[in-house]
Amino acid sequence: SAVISQKPSRDICQRGTSLTIQCQVDSQVTMMFWYRQQPGQSLTLIATANQGSEATYESGFVIDKFPISRPNLTFSTLTVSNMSPEDSSIYLCSVEGREGGPQYFGPGTRLTVL
Amino acid sequence: AQTVTQSQPEMSVQEAETVTLSCTYDTSESDYYLFWYKQPPSRQMILVIRQEAYKQQNATENRFSVNFQKAAKSFSLKISDSQLGDAAMYFCAYRSPPGRETSGSRLTFGEGTQLTVNP
Repeated sequence: SAVISQKPSRDICQRGTSLTIQCQVDSQVTMMFWYRQQPGQSLTLIATANQGSEATYESGFVIDKFPISRPNLTFSTLTVSNMSPEDSSIYLCSVEGREGGPQYFGPGTRLTVL
Repeated sequence: AQTVTQSQPEMSVQEAETVTLSCTYDTSESDYYLFWYKQPPSRQMILVIRQEAYKQQNATENRFSVNFQKAAKSFSLKISDSQLGDAAMYFCAYRSPPGRETSGSRLTFGEGTQLTVNP
């Protein structure tokens, strides 16, 4: 399985500000994803990060709020923009090495918005 | 749209005993993938086991095995010889096969089962 790192591991932010989360994989992967896990809840897919093109967002998530970049096959960023306390969650990056293969997750970023 | 249901919010087991976690799902697809993930307090999501729907044989990984009942749309996880380190939140997840543009590669997760292992 791929080794996935995320930065930062946690952060406390003020409302109205933005935070960019980085996801780095130790090998090239076909698919990269960003999930959100709100407190005490399950995981929900935010978007699929596409290399060299715009991310594909799930219903309820928009690019202005969660801009995503994927400049190459090993790296992606998720920005949480104009944050509010409702954005307090764990944000997880996941990767799929081959289409249809298992998805592996990064360690997550715990975000608290005051 | 696919849905995944875990009807047991919490389960407990004695160390060295066996426990079974339940998962049911709803889909109109005939081919798909099912997963169990474990999330300990560290919040790291760890893949436990994977099942491909076209395979009739139940997947096994050491002390972890599944009972996959395709007709019943059931996918339970059995943990044998439970260890203290098995204590975690367990999530069942569904994935459509590649090429399904309407559902893509997303994992659809159940609500989770919190497993406690008692010494």
